[in-house]
Amino acid sequence: AQSVAQPEDQVNVAEGNPLTVKCTYSVSGNPYLFWYVQYPNRGLQFLLKYITGDNLVKGSYGFEAEFNKSQTSFHLKKPSALVSDSALYFCAVNNMDTGRRALTFGSGTRLQVQP
Amino acid sequence: EADIYQTPRYLVIGTGKKITLECSQTMGHDKMYWYQQDPGMELHLIHYSYGVNSTEKGDLSSESTVSRIRTEHFPLTLESARPSHTSQYLCASSLHGQGADTQYFGPGTRLTVL
Repeated sequence: AQSVAQPEDQVNVAEGNPLTVKCTYSVSGNPYLFWYVQYPNRGLQFLLKYITGDNLVKGSYGFEAEFNKSQTSFHLKKPSALVSDSALYFCAVNNMDTGRRALTFGSGTRLQVQP
Repeated sequence: EADIYQTPRYLVIGTGKKITLECSQTMGHDKMYWYQQDPGMELHLIHYSYGVNSTEKGDLSSESTVSRIRTEHFPLTLESARPSHTSQYLCASSLHGQGADTQYFGPGTRLTVL
């Protein structure tokens, strides 16, 4: 079985400050890891993914994520937050070895960036 | 933005009505998915399809049914809507359905059953 944990329901950060949204995963084998963002009344938008190679993955809108195999984590980061980054963020995992049919999503983290 | 469309965006309907939620994609993707999402909460896979005439149920049990007669079209039907079906329904697609494939999502349909 595979699972994803997003330990924070909400993250608050001031505009211009760095932000981190946490994600840990559990899979039997090597993982594919994804981050998506959801704005109000919208579907999910793909931000970035880790497949293999460099542990630091760069994605859309200045976001990046660091894969840490020993800690089974894939935290989302941005050096300088914008008010427009306020949204719901989902981490997701799939299993590289078994090619499971669909992604397993975390419960989501609401990011609130204050002006 | 991905080329995947869902209609209607919002639907309010009475108990017992039959409804069909439409999903179409113009990317030529083989794999399509339906997720159910309660407000501000995680997504649960309810149906998926590997291609034409191929459909399977997902992790979350659902009374809905799906069909895949054309590659680009993956409608979801509820024969008799109930208040417990009130939720947001998200459609997604991916090119091959392999583990590394990115899934692209439509804007969702917010269903309210009175």
